[in-house]
Amino acid sequence: EVQLLESGGGLVQPGGSLRLSCVASGFTFSSCGMSWVRQAPGKGLEWVANIVDSGGSTYYADSVKGRFTISRDNSKDTLYLQMNSLRAEDTALYYCAKDPAGSRGSYPDYWGQGTLVTVSS
Amino acid sequence: QLVLTQSPSASASLGASVKLTCTLSSGHSSYTITWHQQLAGKGPRYLMKVNSDGSHNKGDGIPDRFSGSSSGAERYLTISSLQSEDEADYYCQTWGTGIRVFGGGTKLTVL
Repeated sequence: EVQLLESGGGLVQPGGSLRLSCVASGFTFSSCGMSWVRQAPGKGLEWVANIVDSGGSTYYADSVKGRFTISRDNSKDTLYLQMNSLRAEDTALYYCAKDPAGSRGSYPDYWGQGTLVTVSS
Repeated sequence: QLVLTQSPSASASLGASVKLTCTLSSGHSSYTITWHQQLAGKGPRYLMKVNSDGSHNKGDGIPDRFSGSSSGAERYLTISSLQSEDEADYYCQTWGTGIRVFGGGTKLTVL
């Protein structure tokens, strides 16, 4: 059974930093691209970033480019999102998602349950 | 610019069928899209991938009541024999070079 377990969310002040983690199980992590998708309270889904299976390529939404960094450790089956210079508009539930094995830069076929990030003073 | 457009809301009666629409922006009518369901208070769930020729590939455990189709720049999700547990938000999604896009979502109410 595919499982994606996010952690690391919390309350942070504007301008602060936070690192999210997503531990994967139930599939070959190193064969799948991964992504982060967020959902602001009462709003729709917004793609944040994705990373290919090897970690060799990363892509970001314009809204987070230069502030967020997606990375992965295939030896630990773990995906990360380092978030710096946080703003109030980054407040959202952050979902980790996996791509189908062998696809590149395409779509999520499994999702986690999310971790909440609140940016407020 | 790659954009997906969805109606904000839809409704249909218990046991009936409903067809949700996702429209691709001009110049992107050949793109494949995916559909995702989000029940209230839950994380999203992948439903299926829908290609421009109307063929579709469903995710694990997705009931036969869910199907996909295409016409031009429109991609559809049809849910037949509606059940109360189908009441949810439905999002379409697509991708381009270095970018992924979600539609704004359709809130489906089962009457």
